Amino acid sequence: DSGVTQTPKHLITATGQRVTLRCSPRSGDLSVYWYQQSLDQGLQFLIQYYNGEERAKGNILERFSAQQFPDLHSELNLSSLELGDSALYFCASSVGRGSYEQYFGPGTRLTVT
Amino acid sequence: GENVEQHPSTLSVQEGDSAVIKCTYSDSASNYFPWYKQELGKRPQLIIDIRSNVGEKKDQRIAVTLNKTAKHFSLHITETQPEDSAVYFCAAPLPGNQFYFGTGTSLTVIP
Repeated sequence: DSGVTQTPKHLITATGQRVTLRCSPRSGDLSVYWYQQSLDQGLQFLIQYYNGEERAKGNILERFSAQQFPDLHSELNLSSLELGDSALYFCASSVGRGSYEQYFGPGTRLTVT
Repeated sequence: GENVEQHPSTLSVQEGDSAVIKCTYSDSASNYFPWYKQELGKRPQLIIDIRSNVGEKKDQRIAVTLNKTAKHFSLHITETQPEDSAVYFCAAPLPGNQFYFGTGTSLTVIP
């Protein structure tokens, strides 16, 4: 167990809908990263937050947004869902804002039908 | 990833043999090089990492070597066991910037 929690574990929804994925980092970690992993694909970096502020942005679609709250948990919002958004979404946390060890949560498996 | 290339994409070895996976990065500002192992259906887990001021690091059967001049680093697994079968990812993040992973290597250890 890495200490990073993600909810829900599974999510099934229809095209056009909006969902929110939640992540709680390890105690003491200030950075949260979000990744998308499609079937048999690698880890696609989406976005990083550090202590409530956006730190770095990857290949995140405009339909997707995220935020980190004062208690350091983070939410990833996915809207106008398409079939291609079906994937495993991981969050990871690390202590600082630089290149530190990342600890991954168990992931949320999103299925868009 | 945009900053790192990983080879090979698949690798099969006999149990007991060694496995080597190589990553090449493009930006000399990268100073931290982690390796993650992801078993089927599970989360990626950090197995070893190295910083740019070190050329080699070992942890039991796994080691990572770094060649800053050539901008590549490698994961070495010796005396492979079936439980080493997984997908391995490298990364070469830029400080304070996007964290891109390599495309992954699927390692199969044949008993």
